[in-house]
Amino acid sequence: DTGVSQNPRHKITKRGQNVTFRCDPISEHNRLYWYRQTLGQGPEFLTYFQNEAQLEKSRLLSDRFSAERPKGSFSTLEIQRTEQGDSAMYLCASSGLQPRKTQYFGPGTRLLVL
Amino acid sequence: EDQVTQSPEALRLQEGESSSLNCSYTVSGLRGLFWYRQDPGKGPEFLFTLYSAGEEKEKERLKATLTKKESFLHITAPKPEDSATYLCAVQARNSGYALNFGKGTSLLVTP
Repeated sequence: DTGVSQNPRHKITKRGQNVTFRCDPISEHNRLYWYRQTLGQGPEFLTYFQNEAQLEKSRLLSDRFSAERPKGSFSTLEIQRTEQGDSAMYLCASSGLQPRKTQYFGPGTRLLVL
Repeated sequence: EDQVTQSPEALRLQEGESSSLNCSYTVSGLRGLFWYRQDPGKGPEFLFTLYSAGEEKEKERLKATLTKKESFLHITAPKPEDSATYLCAVQARNSGYALNFGKGTSLLVTP
């Protein structure tokens, strides 16, 4: 069990650029989640996948955000035309299938939009 | 709408000085209440899951308890390495599998 990994760990970009983050979940986990955390706040749910199907999306996930999990393994989160308000820590978590399974978080990707 | 409120926002303790952190919640059907620890610049680290009122769980100096309206994280004889932000989250039966987090309690334990 190597834990959830995320890449890159840090990203600095200019406003209007596109960015993509990657998450590799714990190998036997079927569910994968994306959250966003800003300074002084708890993580906020963005979306989750069960295998390759995206089953739930928060209203926080604007049209500029898209997430994929093409083969039910790793996932990518893309932000198009970044805005300064997108600056945050983007966290990925994974869990098993049973309803009350614990979500284990990765180290996060810190995004700064200049 | 589901709500999670943590108090206090910040807490400073002397090493060995026991205290409790509070997590008040309103949710339409609790599936589970989760406690996480988060160090600066890192992802949340899982501590406990509680499922029903009256349940208690312990790990080293930490003990989590649950009632129908709130959860407490008791810290007994804390050490400086317990300094971190402690996050509480609820998972509701009718909102998929998303975790709804509070803002956290920032704990500083001084020697």
